Amino acid sequence: KAGVTQTPRYLIKTRGQQVTLSCSPISGHRSVSWYQQTPGQGLQFLFEYFSETQRNKGNFPGRFSGRQFSNSRSEMNVSTLELGDSALYLCASSFGGSYTDTQYFGPGTRLTVL
Amino acid sequence: AQSVAQPEDQVNVAEGNPLTVKCTYSVSGNPYLFWYVQYPNRGLQFLLKYITGDNLVKGSYGFEAEFNKSQTSFHLKKPSALVSDSALYFCAVRDAGANNLFFGTGTRLTVIP
Repeated sequence: KAGVTQTPRYLIKTRGQQVTLSCSPISGHRSVSWYQQTPGQGLQFLFEYFSETQRNKGNFPGRFSGRQFSNSRSEMNVSTLELGDSALYLCASSFGGSYTDTQYFGPGTRLTVL
Repeated sequence: AQSVAQPEDQVNVAEGNPLTVKCTYSVSGNPYLFWYVQYPNRGLQFLLKYITGDNLVKGSYGFEAEFNKSQTSFHLKKPSALVSDSALYFCAVRDAGANNLFFGTGTRLTVIP
């Protein structure tokens, strides 16, 4: 079974621009979560989607948004990019999103903001 | 509120020796604990999890972890380290009432040939 895929793998943007990242979960998984990884803050939860609905949200500004489509694919958007948004953005999928489900991660999208 | 602590930023071990990567946690309800490994320029790979049951959990690549409720610990172990085990290891706890994972700061394991 194919794993979680994320596109693009690398992205370079300038301050003020916006960016959209894409995540395709493992087939049959309905929950998709997004995390930001930086050297200073570590791994931080952004939001989770389940059946096209945002179910949970971390402590990030409104510039960070996402959505999920009917096929469970998810996109994350960051508007008005700031230098501090440079990070590895990781997507994780799980079957139903219950407490006991395992989250499987994609390879990430490395975003660099200049 | 939940939290996870990985007290060691760096662990060095000789190849063939046993390895331990430490993790302690704090949760308000039942603990759901996970270990992940990250290789350079890669995402996180799932190793093992504790949900309930036996305190010794066996996972991928020969790793295991021991859940200790009284010490609120969930240390990752392997009887014989390989050079290829060198990577960044993360302990995580599932947030009470939600589905997101709360991660520790990570421990860099270096296995010396």
